[in-house]
Amino acid sequence: DVVMTQSPLSLPVTLGQPASISCRSNQSLVYGDGNTYLNWFHQRPGQSPRRLIYKVSNRDSGVPDRFSGSGSVTDFTLKISRVEAEDVGVYYCMQGTHWPHTFGGGTKVEIK
Amino acid sequence: EMQLVESGGGLVQPGGSLRLSCAASGFTFSTSSMNWVRQAPGKGLEWVSYISSSSSTTYYADSVKGRFTISRDNAKNSLYLQMNSLRDDDTAVYYCARSLQNDYWGQGTLVTVSS
Repeated sequence: DVVMTQSPLSLPVTLGQPASISCRSNQSLVYGDGNTYLNWFHQRPGQSPRRLIYKVSNRDSGVPDRFSGSGSVTDFTLKISRVEAEDVGVYYCMQGTHWPHTFGGGTKVEIK
Repeated sequence: EMQLVESGGGLVQPGGSLRLSCAASGFTFSTSSMNWVRQAPGKGLEWVSYISSSSSTTYYADSVKGRFTISRDNAKNSLYLQMNSLRDDDTAVYYCARSLQNDYWGQGTLVTVSS
C-alpha cells in the first residue's frame, strides 16, 4: 500500500498568517493517464470531511482562493495564504492513484 | 442540492452483522462511482470500499475483505454496505462519498461493535 506521510502533526497558527502542510508518498502518484490523483480534505470538529483540492492543485467549487495546492510525483504541499478562524480542524491528503486509496494521518490546525 | 444521507448504524455485538445504507439525491447517482470511508473515534480516515457506477468493479480494503460487501441500487439511488463478522476495530463513523476521488461526503453513521 502507498504510505502517505503528513507533517506537521499539529500546526498552531496566528490569524492572518500563512500556513503550510506537507504530504509525501512512498511511491509516485502519477497515474498512467498522466494525472496525479492527490487530493486534500478539511474536516472541522464534529463535521464530515470536505474536499478542498483535487489533482494536486485544482480547487473545488466554493473553496476560497487562499487555499492552494502544489507539488508533484511524491512531494505535495497545501498552503493557506492567510489563516481565518473557520480554517481550524484537521487536514488530510489522500492519494487516489493506486488501490487501495490511502490517506495521510492528518494535520491539526489550531489558532494560537 | 446534492445530498448523501447514511443510515443503519448502531450497536452490535462482535461477530454480528449490520447493513448500512446511503441515500443519494441532487445528482445523477447512476453515473457516479461511490466509496465507503470510515473514521474510528479520535482517529484518521480509512478508505473501506469502492463500487463503480454500474457495479461491475468493486474494491475492498484488506481489513474488511471477505467480511464486507458493497452494493448499489441505481433505481433507488442507494448505496449499501453489508458488514458481517464485525470486530471491535470496525467501530467507526462510516461515510459514503461520491466519485473515485471522494468529492462529496455524507454526514456519516456511527457503528459501535461491543459486547
